[in-house]
Amino acid sequence: EAGVAQSPRYKIIEKRQSVAFWCNPISGHATLYWYQQILGQGPKLLIQFQNNGVVDDSQLPKDRFSAERLKGVDSTLKIQPAKLEDSAVYLCASSYLPLDTIYFGEGSWLTVV
Amino acid sequence: GENVEQHPSTLSVQEGDSAVIKCTYSDSASNYFPWYKQELGKRPQLIIDIRSNVGEKKDQRIAVTLNKTAKHFSLHITETQPEDSAVYFCAASSNTGNQFYFGTGTSLTVIP
Repeated sequence: EAGVAQSPRYKIIEKRQSVAFWCNPISGHATLYWYQQILGQGPKLLIQFQNNGVVDDSQLPKDRFSAERLKGVDSTLKIQPAKLEDSAVYLCASSYLPLDTIYFGEGSWLTVV
Repeated sequence: GENVEQHPSTLSVQEGDSAVIKCTYSDSASNYFPWYKQELGKRPQLIIDIRSNVGEKKDQRIAVTLNKTAKHFSLHITETQPEDSAVYFCAASSNTGNQFYFGTGTSLTVIP
């Protein structure tokens, strides 16, 4: 079965610029997650979707981060304007249902300079 | 929300020895505990998981034990091999039951 697809894999931007990441979950997976993983730390949940509805976005810095999953399949995560501390790997993941096995994508590596 | 602590942060073992990584959690309602392995530059991958209705689960050289009373669970890797070298993350389900909180990771190095 195809895995979780993410793009771009790597991105370098200057602070105050914007960036968008795209995720295509495993087919049939209703639950989609965006995690932020800072070097040396565990993944931190930014937002969780169930189909196209938001389940939890309590840790999403809403003044600069936004995410959508309009048709309940693909999702985009946007950062605008970026800060230096946003440098991290952004992992998209999906599961068939909440608390089923989570499958991660390869991640989008962001460096803000 | 849930608080998951993981120890140690780094662990070096000789090839063939055992490795143990321990996690504690705060939410007594948590009932699902997966473990992920992340090799350098790769995605986290599930290696084993346990639900609260069992105390131990084994899969070849890997085992997980759960102590719900003490609110801790551990990953045991026996007969370690160099390819076991990676960062290992534990996770626990949240009190809402819909998401996971991850530990801070353990960097395991198996010395040939």
